[in-house]
Amino acid sequence: DIRMTQSPASLSASLGETVNIECLASEDIYSDLAWYQQKPGKSPQLLIYNANSLQNGVPSRFSGSGSGTQYSLKINSLQSEDVATYFCQQYNNYPLTFGSGTKLEIK
Amino acid sequence: QVTLKESGPGILQPSQTLSLTCTFSGFSLSTYGMGVGWIRQPSGKGLEWLANIWWDDDKYYNPSLKNRLTISKDTSNNQAFLKITNVDTADTATYYCARIAGTMGITTTGFDYWGQGVMVTVSS
Repeated sequence: DIRMTQSPASLSASLGETVNIECLASEDIYSDLAWYQQKPGKSPQLLIYNANSLQNGVPSRFSGSGSGTQYSLKINSLQSEDVATYFCQQYNNYPLTFGSGTKLEIK
Repeated sequence: QVTLKESGPGILQPSQTLSLTCTFSGFSLSTYGMGVGWIRQPSGKGLEWLANIWWDDDKYYNPSLKNRLTISKDTSNNQAFLKITNVDTADTATYYCARIAGTMGITTTGFDYWGQGVMVTVSS
């Protein structure tokens, strides 16, 4: 199985700041990576696919980058509605696997 | 507009079989490249992928659940199903179904639409 190591586990930032969340795959996943946002009590929503493609309707302050085994999600100009837990997921190979999540709070 | 909605028993006892239904609209599982997956999440914890089924009836399972899973579909009624046999308390979770798109059994988009989830509790 491909292990997805996500960091940090939690993050506190101020409104307007830029935050970065990292995801490290245990082997090359060839950019077959998605990022999801899960707000409290809600189902996950797709933000980014193919490591850097923005899903329709997602604000442009979200961006993804990376290749090989290292990937990151960047949120520019943090807004109050960005409070959520963020998960990465690889779909290069079965079984599909998720990172353990990053809980983002506003300072 | 793509929507998905899960339904299930709510509560069941250890050793029973969990049967879940995903009823969807806005796409068809008879369309090339379409698929539905099941993912679960214990309260306060992370996401675990369980199974995918594709338009051509290709199926993939998480081997960690050791042959307890069966995924199926009813294309004419826009439904997908998941059965988990011999449940125990570790199967207590919110279960989600989600749309997936791709080819040759591999997605190119991740899970792009999710249902609201259904809570399942296994308790004696």
